[in-house]
Amino acid sequence: SQQGEEDPQALSIQEGENATMNCSYKTSINNLQWYRQNSGRGLVHLILIRSNEREKHSGRLRVTLDTSKKSSSLLITASRAADTASYFCAFRSGYSTLTFGKGTMLLVSP
Amino acid sequence: GAVVSQHPSWVICKSGTSVKIECRSLDFQATTMFWYRQFPKQSLMLMATSNEGSKATYEQGVEKDKFLINHASLTLSTLTVTSAHPEDSSFYICSARDPSDNEQFFGPGTRLTVL
Repeated sequence: SQQGEEDPQALSIQEGENATMNCSYKTSINNLQWYRQNSGRGLVHLILIRSNEREKHSGRLRVTLDTSKKSSSLLITASRAADTASYFCAFRSGYSTLTFGKGTMLLVSP
Repeated sequence: GAVVSQHPSWVICKSGTSVKIECRSLDFQATTMFWYRQFPKQSLMLMATSNEGSKATYEQGVEKDKFLINHASLTLSTLTVTSAHPEDSSFYICSARDPSDNEQFFGPGTRLTVL
């Protein structure tokens, strides 16, 4: 499976600031999803955006999708220390399985 | 969302022994399950796709004789790491596809440490 690229690899911010993570992929996709993973724990599904959607919101999360650039971004507004985790994008083409990006490690300092 | 369980959540074993990890879909029947491996500070890498009643499909570079996958029922897939070595120490995560909406749901993962 072809892995996606994410940037930045690591992001360190203060509480209250916004965090933006980007994901790029190479194939056409059905949808793109974002997951969160606390250290040593399983994945938590955050949000799914379909290929015909451009933007989606869920609480403090905002996801955009630009299929012409084959990229997506995840914005976390008003970050909290509890947002500290690794964030992964994952996408699917056709009936294939999910392919994951390399992930962004977010550190939010109090 | 649907629930996928894994057992055990962590296991420590001696080098040369075999370890079995179970993955169960609790509220749906999964004809397809997936096994991923995640090394520290890295992303999830697909190891194999498990189809109920047939042989698993392995990704390039994954040894099928070392990582035995059995998907004997619509709710259970097992991954057996045979003759485990320290380099097999990793976080193993399974995923099950719900055929009703084609979405994948992930188990909580199994931490394997081989001494």
